Amino acid sequence: DIQMTQSPSTLSASVGDRVTITCRASRSISSWLAWYQQKPGKAPKLLIYEASTLETGVPSRFSGSESGTEFTLTISSLQPEDSATYYCQQYNSYSGTFGKGTKLEIK
Amino acid sequence: QVQLVQSGSELKKPGASVKVSCKASGYTFTNYAITWVRQAPGQGLEWMGWINTNTGDPTYAQGLTGQFVFSLDTSVSTAYLQISNLKAEDTAVYYCTRGPHSWGQGTLVTVSS
Repeated sequence: DIQMTQSPSTLSASVGDRVTITCRASRSISSWLAWYQQKPGKAPKLLIYEASTLETGVPSRFSGSESGTEFTLTISSLQPEDSATYYCQQYNSYSGTFGKGTKLEIK
Repeated sequence: QVQLVQSGSELKKPGASVKVSCKASGYTFTNYAITWVRQAPGQGLEWMGWINTNTGDPTYAQGLTGQFVFSLDTSVSTAYLQISNLKAEDTAVYYCTRGPHSWGQGTLVTVSS
């Protein structure tokens, strides 16, 4: 099974900061990587798919990139409403491992 | 528009069974697999597996016990997750998804005596 190592597990940043979250896959997943935002009591919301494609309706301050088996979610200018838990997920080869999540707190 | 609508919350006693439904609309049901994801209280997302909606063949995540069974009724564009011999640790929100783009609203299954 493919393992996804996500870091950091928690993050505290201020409004306007640039924030990055990283996921590393245990082997190649091509670009089959999604990023989700989840707020308490809600289903996850897709932000990015295929590593770097912004889902329709998602603010452009969110972006994704990849370098080999390392994937990054960047929030260019943090907003108060971005307080949430973020998950990566690989969806390659008929499996779908999630990272353990990053809880993002606004200072 | 693609929609996945799940059945409502369930409260069950240990040892009982439950069947969660996921009704799809807005697309041809048999063209896309349905995946199941669970989230225990305060925990992360866990991929449980998927079912081929064309053939009905299920694929379960490694380590998922035989308590969990995926099934379909293609005549009503619905996927099911059946959980038998429920334990307290099966308490979770269960989601169905169509790829990364479309998620059901989640079904809370609570197991308590």
